Amino acid sequence: QVQLQESGPGMAKPSETLSLTCTVSGGSTSDYYWSWIRQPPGKGLEWIGYVFDSGITNYKSSFKSRVTISVDTSKIQFSLRLTSVTAADTAVYYCARHSGEDRHAFDIWGQGTMVNVSS
Amino acid sequence: QSVLTQPPSVSEVPRQRVTISCSGSSSNIGNNAVSWYQQLPGKAPKLLIYYDDLLPSGVSGRFSGSKSGTSASLAISGLQSEDEADYYCAAWDDSLNGPVFGGGTKLTVL
Repeated sequence: QVQLQESGPGMAKPSETLSLTCTVSGGSTSDYYWSWIRQPPGKGLEWIGYVFDSGITNYKSSFKSRVTISVDTSKIQFSLRLTSVTAADTAVYYCARHSGEDRHAFDIWGQGTMVNVSS
Repeated sequence: QSVLTQPPSVSEVPRQRVTISCSGSSSNIGNNAVSWYQQLPGKAPKLLIYYDDLLPSGVSGRFSGSKSGTSASLAISGLQSEDEADYYCAAWDDSLNGPVFGGGTKLTVL
């Protein structure tokens, strides 16, 4: 049974770079799309971007200048790097797998990691 | 402002049926599959419906999805207290070239 686990610092200062990693257990990254999705406190879900196991990426336009998502198939991990963070980036960050049957649906989610951006 | 529009809240008594609507446009729901997610308090979202009306293995048959034109609905029958959660719809958006979510609907079981 595939499980996802996010890891990374729970805090960042404004203008710093946020780096999170999602470790895949019980499976591999092969042949799937992997996304990062975030949820500000008390608000809804926002897709940030995805990476395919070949390294192909696609980002939400509002993040394009600040975000990099990469995959390390040897470590069975994928990562999020978000630069120049502000308080507006405070959120729970989830990693999620796109379903193999409907790649526009997210069938497995990590538990989420809270990131607080504050000076 | 979410691309997909959901009612902020719905409520119903136990054992009854409730529906949650999700309205979009031709660039998302009208041309792509809809998925639905349940988010229990303090938990990660869980996939309930994909491809408009298909249930993943392990999801209760009390949940069902439907779509017509640029709108979709999630129905929950035989409501139980443990169904109290936030529900989100999602679909790929061709114009934005990425998935978009509804703003979420909080279900209260009275």
